[in-house]
Amino acid sequence: NAGVTQTPKFQVLKTGQSMTLQCAQDMNHEYMSWYRQDPGMGLRLIHYSVGAGITDQGEVPNGYNVSRSTTEDFPLRLLSAAPSQTSVYFCASGDLAEAFFGQGTRLTVV
Amino acid sequence: GENVEQHPSTLSVQEGDSAVIKCTYSDSASNYFPWYKQELGKRPQLIIDIRSNVGEKKDQRIAVTLNKTAKHFSLHITETQPEDSAVYFCAARNYGQNFVFGPGTRLSVLP
Repeated sequence: NAGVTQTPKFQVLKTGQSMTLQCAQDMNHEYMSWYRQDPGMGLRLIHYSVGAGITDQGEVPNGYNVSRSTTEDFPLRLLSAAPSQTSVYFCASGDLAEAFFGQGTRLTVV
Repeated sequence: GENVEQHPSTLSVQEGDSAVIKCTYSDSASNYFPWYKQELGKRPQLIIDIRSNVGEKKDQRIAVTLNKTAKHFSLHITETQPEDSAVYFCAARNYGQNFVFGPGTRLSVLP
C-alpha cells in the first residue's frame, strides 16, 4: 500500500514549455485534488475530482488542466509554463474526512 | 465560500513550554476540522482532527478545541520538544466538499 505517489519530485521548465505532473493513489479514494504551496499562502486548491470522469476547478485553476479517467490517477497538466507557476505542488486523495498527501513536486519555471 | 484564518503566522517557544495556534472559519456548514503538520521538505501529515459534534479531543501532548458558536478552533501542544518544530496548518471542511486550509503557522521550539 503506497498511498499517494507523485512524480517527479523536482522539475525545471523553461517558460512556455508544457508538462504533466503525475499522481496515483492505491486507497480507492473517490476524491482527489491538486494544491500549490507558496510561502505564506498555505495550500491553495487548483483542481479537484470527486470520481472518475468528474473534475472541477478550485481557487487557482488558470494555466492548469486535469483529467480523471480512472479512480487511481489524477494528472495535472501545465499548458504553457510561466514563472508565476514556480511552486511546490501537492496531490492529495481522501475519503469523507482525512486528506492524504503525496510527497510533493518542486517546480521551477525559468 | 469557506475562509480560514490562522494566527500567529510564526511562533517561538522554549522547549517544555506550551504552544497554542488559533483558527477561525466562516462557513457554519463546515463540520470537520483537521490539523496538519509539515516538516521541512516533507508532505503535510494529519496529526489530529475534530468533528463538529465534539468540543475537545486529546492525543498525548496535543489537543484541539472547537467552539462552533464562535466559529473557531485551536491546537494546543504541551511540553514542546524540538521535533515539534514545523509548519502547522488548520483546515475546515464540510463532508464531501473541499478542504480550505489556513495560511500556516511556523512553530520553532528553542532548546
